[in-house]
Amino acid sequence: QKEVEQNSGPLSVPEGAIASLNCTYSDRGSQSFFWYRQYSGKSPELIMSIYSNGDKEDGRFTAQLNKASQYVSLLIRDSQPSDSATYLCAVSRYSSASKIIFGSGTRLSIRP
Amino acid sequence: SAVISQKPSRDICQRGTSLTIQCQVDSQVTMMFWYRQQPGQSLTLIATANQGSEATYESGFVIDKFPISRPNLTFSTLTVSNMSPEDSSIYLCSVEDREEGLSYEQYFGPGTRLTVT
Repeated sequence: QKEVEQNSGPLSVPEGAIASLNCTYSDRGSQSFFWYRQYSGKSPELIMSIYSNGDKEDGRFTAQLNKASQYVSLLIRDSQPSDSATYLCAVSRYSSASKIIFGSGTRLSIRP
Repeated sequence: SAVISQKPSRDICQRGTSLTIQCQVDSQVTMMFWYRQQPGQSLTLIATANQGSEATYESGFVIDKFPISRPNLTFSTLTVSNMSPEDSSIYLCSVEDREEGLSYEQYFGPGTRLTVT
């Protein structure tokens, strides 16, 4: 079992719709959770971090964490073509951002 | 957040040679990390580099192959030694940083694309 699992996609979503990206993790002691966006040929860019159960909203992005079920998700509202990228879920068993373990990423495509 | 630069941005090297990648940060940071991203794959942590101590390597990575220096709080180097085509990857430097009042997060440099022929 991989430590951080994501559906590789591609996930195709029409422009203006909600894109939902999911991630599960195996280490029940994980404390810090991150979503990164990576455009082709570029380095990962941090979008959201979440540390406690529930929802965290930032603009069009909402991260959701459920530690009991060991899953974290990212919702993108009003999806834009510029949101087309690979989204990486990352998890750390530390309360800081040390030793992050990355999932394999979900490729998201927003169709006009 | 910290601004990170890497040099070189890309290189093509012959097998058996070594390449040193530099990572420079515009502010002092305690924790720096080196990752590898092989073609079509996700990121794999190579090692954690703290100033004033030996780097801590992850399983599958050894100091002889990937020696790391961390001479101060704004700079680190990763050397890929005795390269083979299997070392062709993007190598990424990252730092742990936080904005005042917020939690620590990890930020990445632009990466070094290495091709070994």
